[in-house]
Amino acid sequence: KQEVTQIPAALSVPEGENLVLNCSFTDSAIYNLQWFRQDPGKGLTSLLLIQSSQREQTSGRLNASLDKSSGRSTLYIAASQPGDSATYLCAVREFSGGYNKLIFGAGTRLAVHP
Amino acid sequence: GAVVSQHPSRVICKSGTSVKIECRSLDFQATTMFWYRQFPKKSLMLMATSNEGSKATYEQGVEKDKFLINHASLTLSTLTVTSAHPEDSSFYICSARDLTSGAYEQYFGPGTRLTVT
Repeated sequence: KQEVTQIPAALSVPEGENLVLNCSFTDSAIYNLQWFRQDPGKGLTSLLLIQSSQREQTSGRLNASLDKSSGRSTLYIAASQPGDSATYLCAVREFSGGYNKLIFGAGTRLAVHP
Repeated sequence: GAVVSQHPSRVICKSGTSVKIECRSLDFQATTMFWYRQFPKKSLMLMATSNEGSKATYEQGVEKDKFLINHASLTLSTLTVTSAHPEDSSFYICSARDLTSGAYEQYFGPGTRLTVT
């Protein structure tokens, strides 16, 4: 059974720091991996999607890497800002029982203080 | 980008009543919609996958008679929590997959906060 783990569970940093969020998954037979942002009481916003054949994706200050064989992904946030404060969720897509679905980690709660 | 809406955003109901939550894909067609449940500071747990025009596929441990899912069109899926109890209080999020997307990317709704008193 696929399990997705995110470390750390919570992180508090001063504004301007570069930071790395970690995600690991137990079954490397994934179709893709996606990073999301969730603000309190809100839905999910997709940040980056990495196909299983890709190694990384970049969008602005965000860079996500994928090492499928070792079951790891990292989300790098450069020059963090208070507006980056949110929960970041990692999810892997796998095929199970004839259809595909996303399996989520528990998230990393990020607080960036001025 | 693709937009998914949910209605209502918040609902409070009394124990024993039923509540319906709507999920709509606003600018794309979704053959597949997903329903998730999220407890405070926890991850999203997939409840069921619904395909337009067919019965939903429920995850293990999810009562299909309690959480009724209907996916009658390519832009609308509904989740009905029947005979709700306080333990059903949670944040429910729907998600839809764009029919034309080859990347299996899912778009998420803003969620519905259900409180059962």
